[in-house]
Amino acid sequence: DTGVSQNPRHKITKRGQNVTFRCDPISEHNRLYWYRQTLGQGPEFLTYFQNEAQLEKSRLLSDRFSAERPKGSFSTLEIQRTEQGDSAMYLCASINLSGTGNFGPGTRLTVT
Amino acid sequence: GENVEQHPSTLSVQEGDSAVIKCTYSDSASNYFPWYKQELGKRPQLIIDIRSNVGEKKDQRIAVTLNKTAKHFSLHITETQPEDSAVYFCAAEDSGTYKYIFGTGTRLKVLA
Repeated sequence: DTGVSQNPRHKITKRGQNVTFRCDPISEHNRLYWYRQTLGQGPEFLTYFQNEAQLEKSRLLSDRFSAERPKGSFSTLEIQRTEQGDSAMYLCASINLSGTGNFGPGTRLTVT
Repeated sequence: GENVEQHPSTLSVQEGDSAVIKCTYSDSASNYFPWYKQELGKRPQLIIDIRSNVGEKKDQRIAVTLNKTAKHFSLHITETQPEDSAVYFCAAEDSGTYKYIFGTGTRLKVLA
């Protein structure tokens, strides 16, 4: 499968714990985006990278959230001291030079 | 920044009828407008997109129209089938950051 992959697919954690998600984009795509989607809503932008540079962070991304994309390949999204409000589907998308985006399958986070 | 509104939030049609979903956007500089279909528990899938240099694009039973002057674009599905039932999201690409801003989604139900 040469599409966008994300791991893990599901994560259940207790409030206060840290979690880390990984996204592997389509290899030739230089832009990588993180979105968060809650039930019944459209994806909300969190942050994006062009190659290894993080170019924008949404106001939704509190200081408990951090994202990296070392070497411009895969990306990680870490949430520290998780809260119940962090429960959501975290989607990664990679965008090619013409702007066409492909989403990964998402990581569903449940904070208990 | 870009803002996207989508209507209706739910739409029920009889199998074989047409369905139309409408979106408006605020950033006149936006140039790319994708539509995504999301089935329950799955990732958003790109079904069609349009760029600002064209007014209409078709792909079999799906078409998208764009009116740049009015800043609105629409998804048209003809000869609907039960498998078209899903949530559909429109999006507009923010002209400054290339991130997608999504509408709130339309839940389409095709009744057999």
